[in-house]
Amino acid sequence: SQQGEEDPQALSIQEGENATMNCSYKTSINNLQWYRQNSGRGLVHLILIRSNEREKHSGRLRVTLDTSKKSSSLLITASRAADTASYFCATDRKPHKFYFGSGTKLNVKP
Amino acid sequence: EAQVTQNPRYLITVTGKKLTVTCSQNMNHEYMSWYRQDPGLGLRQIYYSMNVEVTDKGDVPEGYKVSRKEKRNFPLILESPSPNQTSLYFCASSQGASPLHFGNGTRLTVT
Repeated sequence: SQQGEEDPQALSIQEGENATMNCSYKTSINNLQWYRQNSGRGLVHLILIRSNEREKHSGRLRVTLDTSKKSSSLLITASRAADTASYFCATDRKPHKFYFGSGTKLNVKP
Repeated sequence: EAQVTQNPRYLITVTGKKLTVTCSQNMNHEYMSWYRQDPGLGLRQIYYSMNVEVTDKGDVPEGYKVSRKEKRNFPLILESPSPNQTSLYFCASSQGASPLHFGNGTRLTVT
């Protein structure tokens, strides 16, 4: 069964705008991670947030985690055309059992 | 360069013809796993391995086998492929609680 679900499924914005993607999950987790995938290629890790953390930043990325609502959000600020990709959240309900959502497809128009 | 290497990149085969997809990592990672990616379903874990000779089922193990005889290699075996195994497959590795490193994928078509 799937653990993480991203929302929206697709998002189209102009370059320079911010992009926000959400992830909801069903059971308690140890960590939540966000990955990026370019057009059928392998996933690339973006950021990991632990269950006892509420917010984390990495460059133009900001991730929040609300364990009471079982949800996380990924904010990409000042988006660029090169940010066009699919973004996935992954949760680990127990060690090494990772659950990925179906992803948010982001299109950043130049 | 640290990487996870999968081969082949593309594979077209017929129902019932045994095949193996190889996966190798050069980072001395203990943990390796296989996923399949299907439209609208995200990535689903097939099998994973915590170390040499230690493997366990993921969420969709039916029709697949794996082995972990060496730390660096984790092949995925389809003894009798069927059309519902047509998918994009990814191998990944990690060490401890570190993030997953993914290979570039194998696109399998079973006719």
